[in-house]
Amino acid sequence: QKEVEQDPGPLSVPEGAIVSLNCTYSNSAFQYFMWYRQYSRKGPELLMYTYSSGNKEDGRFTAQVDKSSKYISLFIRDSQPSDSATYLCAMSNYGQNFVFGPGTRLSVLP
Amino acid sequence: KAGVTQTPRYLIKTRGQQVTLSCSPISGHRSVSWYQQTPGQGLQFLFEYFSETQRNKGNFPGRFSGRQFSNSRSEMNVSTLELGDSALYLCASSVGAQETQYFGPGTRLLVL
Repeated sequence: QKEVEQDPGPLSVPEGAIVSLNCTYSNSAFQYFMWYRQYSRKGPELLMYTYSSGNKEDGRFTAQVDKSSKYISLFIRDSQPSDSATYLCAMSNYGQNFVFGPGTRLSVLP
Repeated sequence: KAGVTQTPRYLIKTRGQQVTLSCSPISGHRSVSWYQQTPGQGLQFLFEYFSETQRNKGNFPGRFSGRQFSNSRSEMNVSTLELGDSALYLCASSVGAQETQYFGPGTRLLVL
């Protein structure tokens, strides 16, 4: 079992839809959770990060962490074609290196 | 503030050769991490440097090495290249070790 699992997709949604992207993990020591967006042939771009369980909102993006279930989610409201990218979750325990999920490819269709 | 820069952006090498990739972190960032990204394996951690010292190392063979200079710039070297080393090599910088990382655009290496 991989340390971080993520549905690879591809996920296709119509413009304006609410998108839910999810990761599960096995290491209960992870304390720090991040979501990155990666466009084709570009480096990953940090979207959101959080240390705690609960929700964190930034514009159209909401990150949700449930440490008891070892489950994190990223919600995108009013999705746009410009949101079409690969979304990577990442997590770490302080002092250890970051572990990334394999990424979910999202296509938002106009 | 300028972002993370990586040079070169593209490289073509043949098996057995060696290659050096360069990364300049965001100004003020002292930690640099290197990752290999392939379609099959995703993002895999290579190593992290902080204040010129290697802090963490991933599960890669000794052919992969790196170093960091006093100005926080970092280089990564791969010797005796193999076909399987073809990948996007990403550098990420952060203010301190194990803090939020910001990625560069990557160096795409093709080994023939």
